[in-house]
Formats: sequence, structure tokens, C-alpha cells
Amino acid sequence: AQSVSQHNHHVILSEAASLELGCNYSYGGTVNLFWYVQYPGQHLQLLLKYFSGDPLVKGIKGFEAEFIKSKFSFNLRKPSVQWSDTAEYFCAVAQPPNFGNEKLTFGTGTRLTIIP
Amino acid sequence: KAGVTQTPRYLIKTRGQQVTLSCSPISGHRSVSWYQQTPGQGLQFLFEYFSETQRNKGNFPGRFSGRQFSNSRSEMNVSTLELGDSALYLCASSTKSGGNTGELFFGEGSRLTVL
Repeated sequence: AQSVSQHNHHVILSEAASLELGCNYSYGGTVNLFWYVQYPGQHLQLLLKYFSGDPLVKGIKGFEAEFIKSKFSFNLRKPSVQWSDTAEYFCAVAQPPNFGNEKLTFGTGTRLTIIP
Repeated sequence: KAGVTQTPRYLIKTRGQQVTLSCSPISGHRSVSWYQQTPGQGLQFLFEYFSETQRNKGNFPGRFSGRQFSNSRSEMNVSTLELGDSALYLCASSTKSGGNTGELFFGEGSRLTVL
């Protein structure tokens, strides 16, 4: 069974600092990769996704993630964070079976707190 | 357009009771998935329905069940509630009809407390 590890449980940064959140997965086959974000009081929403092609993907709000197959990693980055980035971030993995990949395996999440 | 709607938002039950949670997907979305979110276990996949058929099921006991109606609305049921069933239950819909979209649209969840 596949699993997802997010090593940072709680990250605290000052505004304008750079961000990198780690994500590693255990499945050895082809996977689709996602980062979801949950802002305080809001529902989970997709930040970015990787299916194939360029391993550097860009998402909303200036976030990007790099897929490194040899390291089974899909780390999330942002060069300069803002107070509004305070949220919980979830990495997720799905296998692409014939009929889609709605079954996501999520990491336990990283709570990001940005200090103004 | 309206997002994914879950009802009720909050509910309190006692051990041994059963509960039914409802989810209305985004109009036009035919796939509905359910996840359980707890502080210790994070988000865990329960099941996924497409065109009234369960296509995927997670590792949960048979007390957890669900169904989907012809209008794509879905319900999940938990029978013989246990304290450990206290969680936020999230419903998500997608446009998937066979290919990969990869994007789930989540509702705000139903927070269940079992006393």
C-alpha cells in the first residue's frame, strides 16, 4: 500500500521568508501527485498537481512543487511567503488506474504559521 | 456555481447509535468520495461512488457504508458508533467520468462527536 510522509508537522516563518515543505511517498509505480491547502475556516482546495511532463509544476498563489522521481519526493516551495499563506498543507498521492484516481492517500499535513 | 454541500455540519451522538451524513456534489459532478479526518490519522479514504456504484473502498469496518443516488447525491452511514468514530467527515466531488482530472472539490465537512 502506498503511504505519504510529511516530515514537518508545524512550520513557523516570518513574512517574506522562503518556504519548502517536504513530501515523500512510498509507491514505486506511476503516481499522480497533489498538494491541497486548507485555510483557517475553509474547505480543502487544490493548490497544484503533477501528472506527467515537466517535473516542476506551478500552482496558485505563487506556489510550486518539484517532482523528483529518484527521491520519491514532491516538495512544495514558495520563494516569499505572506501572512495569508497561514494554513494547513496536505500532500497527496494517487495511482492512475484505468478509470481515474479519486482515491487519494494523504499525508498527515503540515501546519504553516506565518508571523507578520 | 454552488460548491459541495454537506449536512449536517455538526452532530453529537452516543455510542451504539447510528448516523447518516449527506453530501450534494457540485452540479454536473458524478464522482463522490468520502474521507475521514482526525488529528491522529489525518485524512483517510472511506469510499468513492460513481453513477451509483461504489468503485473504491478504504480500510474501514463494515459499520461504515454509503450509497449514491441517481442525482449524484451521496449519503454515508455509520452504525453502532464508537468513540473513535469522532471525526470530521469530508465529502468531495469531481468531474471524473473515466479520465484523470485529479482535482477533488471538498465540502466543509460534517463534524461528528461520539460521547
